[in-house]
Amino acid sequence: AQSVTQLGSHVSVSEGALVLLRCNYSSSVPPYLFWYVQYPNQGLQLLLKYTSAATLVKGINGFEAEFKKSETSFHLTKPSAHMSDAAEYFCAATGANSKLTFGKGITLSVRP
Amino acid sequence: DSGVTQTPKHLITATGQRVTLRCSPRSGDLSVYWYQQSLDQGLQFLIQYYNGEERAKGNILERFSAQQFPDLHSELNLSSLELGDSALYFCASSGLAGVGGNTGELFFGEGSRLTVL
Repeated sequence: AQSVTQLGSHVSVSEGALVLLRCNYSSSVPPYLFWYVQYPNQGLQLLLKYTSAATLVKGINGFEAEFKKSETSFHLTKPSAHMSDAAEYFCAATGANSKLTFGKGITLSVRP
Repeated sequence: DSGVTQTPKHLITATGQRVTLRCSPRSGDLSVYWYQQSLDQGLQFLIQYYNGEERAKGNILERFSAQQFPDLHSELNLSSLELGDSALYFCASSGLAGVGGNTGELFFGEGSRLTVL
């Protein structure tokens, strides 16, 4: 069964600093991979997705993620954090059975 | 706007009561998912329906039940409510991954916030 690991529960960066949120998946079957963002008191919305086309995926709000099969990773990055990026971020993956599995989520704080 | 509609947005009730949460999926999506999100448990998958049939079950309590109707809307019924059931309940919908170009991504509603007093 697919599993998704997001290490840590909280990341704090300064405004303008690099954002790096890590995600590793377990399946040996190339999955579809997703990053979702949840702003306070809102539902989850899709940031970006990998569907076996380009390994570097660009999403909304300046975020991007790179699929690395050898590392079974799909880390999310943004070159320069903005205060409005403060939110909870979830990595998710589909496995061979098409079921979407979420990681535990990580809270991003941005310091002025 | 994800296209997924959930009602009610907020609900306050007492222990022992029963509530029904409603979800209308995105147009054309046959799959509906229910999730519970709380501070201590995080995002927990409860149950999935596909075209009216139960497809997958997660950490859903026996006091909870769901169904998907012929018009594809879904309801989540929570009964004998306890304080610990206070949470955000999300509905999501999707097409089936690998079918018709779908990649299995979920589209989430805004959630129903349940408070049990």
